[in-house]
Amino acid sequence: AQKITQTQPGMFVQEKEAVTLDCTYDTSDPSYGLFWYKQPSSGEMIFLIYQGSYDQQNATEGRYSLNFQKARKSANLVISASQLGDSAMYFCAMRVLAGSSYDKVIFGPGTSLSVIP
Amino acid sequence: DAGVTQSPTHLIKTRGQHVTLRCSPISGHKSVSWYQQVLGQGPQFIFQYYEKEERGRGNFPDRFSARQFPNYSSELNVNALLLGDSALYLCASSGTAGQFNQPQHFGDGTRLSIL
Repeated sequence: AQKITQTQPGMFVQEKEAVTLDCTYDTSDPSYGLFWYKQPSSGEMIFLIYQGSYDQQNATEGRYSLNFQKARKSANLVISASQLGDSAMYFCAMRVLAGSSYDKVIFGPGTSLSVIP
Repeated sequence: DAGVTQSPTHLIKTRGQHVTLRCSPISGHKSVSWYQQVLGQGPQFIFQYYEKEERGRGNFPDRFSARQFPNYSSELNVNALLLGDSALYLCASSGTAGQFNQPQHFGDGTRLSIL
């Protein structure tokens, strides 16, 4: 079965420090996309970073980087130089082809990140 | 450019009632997907529509239905509301369906409360 696992329900990090949020995934499909989304308490789901299953290099977007280890089926998010505004829920997600003509996004349970001043 | 817009922002209904939620995708996007996010969990896939046709459906009862209009906007309908339908309903748009290498872009959601 296709599944996303996030084993850290809550994390704390000191402002300006780096933090790693863990994500493992399970799929037998060779083609998939891995995404991280940020969800503040207001509810909107904000796209952060993408890694394709065929990408050889780890993705980076500003302060966000994705540590992609395909053999271990892990896609950890690294946030550098944490800011108070980074406090939010973070979801690891996998976009997969679910049939001949559609796709869906499978989400993990999320990790709540709190940045401490 | 406007992102995905959803209305209403909040809604309160009672058990047994019907509700309609609306979504306008990003300009140029032809695919709309709906997700249900129960408090404390990740979103769960409900439907994907592309070119006005239902292309895929998650594990939700027939009380849930949707449609997509010629301008690619979409409505999610839920009949015979149950307490368990209380959730944040998220709409996501993407350029097309059946791809994995582009993000789905989400709206702010409609928070539905059932009394």
